[in-house]
Amino acid sequence: GGIITQTPKFLIGQEGQKLTLKCQQNFNHDTMYWYRQDSGKGLRLIYYSITENDLQKGDLSEGYDASREKKSSFSLTVTSAQKNEMAVFLCASSIARGNQNTLYFGAGTRLSVL
Amino acid sequence: GDSVTQMQGQVTLSEDDFLFINCTYSTTWYPTLFWYVQYPGEGPQLLLKVTTANNKGISRGFEATYDKRTTSFHLQKASVQESDSAVYYCVLGDWGGSALGRLHFGAGTQLIVIP
Repeated sequence: GGIITQTPKFLIGQEGQKLTLKCQQNFNHDTMYWYRQDSGKGLRLIYYSITENDLQKGDLSEGYDASREKKSSFSLTVTSAQKNEMAVFLCASSIARGNQNTLYFGAGTRLSVL
Repeated sequence: GDSVTQMQGQVTLSEDDFLFINCTYSTTWYPTLFWYVQYPGEGPQLLLKVTTANNKGISRGFEATYDKRTTSFHLQKASVQESDSAVYYCVLGDWGGSALGRLHFGAGTQLIVIP
């Protein structure tokens, strides 16, 4: 088995601040994902990466940057935090890209912007 | 475009009640359908998966049947327990013309089971 570790678990930021969320996986999976979870809206894909140094935009990439410097890690940057923003950011990995592959999720980073 | 609809935002049941969570989907391709479950404080995890090759999935007492005629993939369980309290997501994996399809998540259904 493996695990996905997201840090920090809770993140409080100020409006306009640049914030970075980190994700590590030890599954040795090729593909990693960042999703945003808002109550009543399901999960929306921000970025994904099919291999080291690859980046692909999802449906919600505006306002975010991502980085995949090595296979085991994938970071997400909120380029300018929005006032009163509250959301959970979920990192996931899968053995490969594709519509039949199981996603393995971390426990999430909960963001609050003052 | 491809989409998933879960109309029930919250379902409240008592232990041993029958569970039915509604899910319908829309796609022009050959879908793979999933149910993911998210327990409090955790990330979502796969509950069950169904492809066009096997139209029924069963896991941990839950079952879901893929009905192409009604484009539905409802989740059922005969007798729920308090430990089943969680958010349940219906997910559509579209083929998208290649093996590199996308996943579309429903809005989620919060299940509360009262002991």
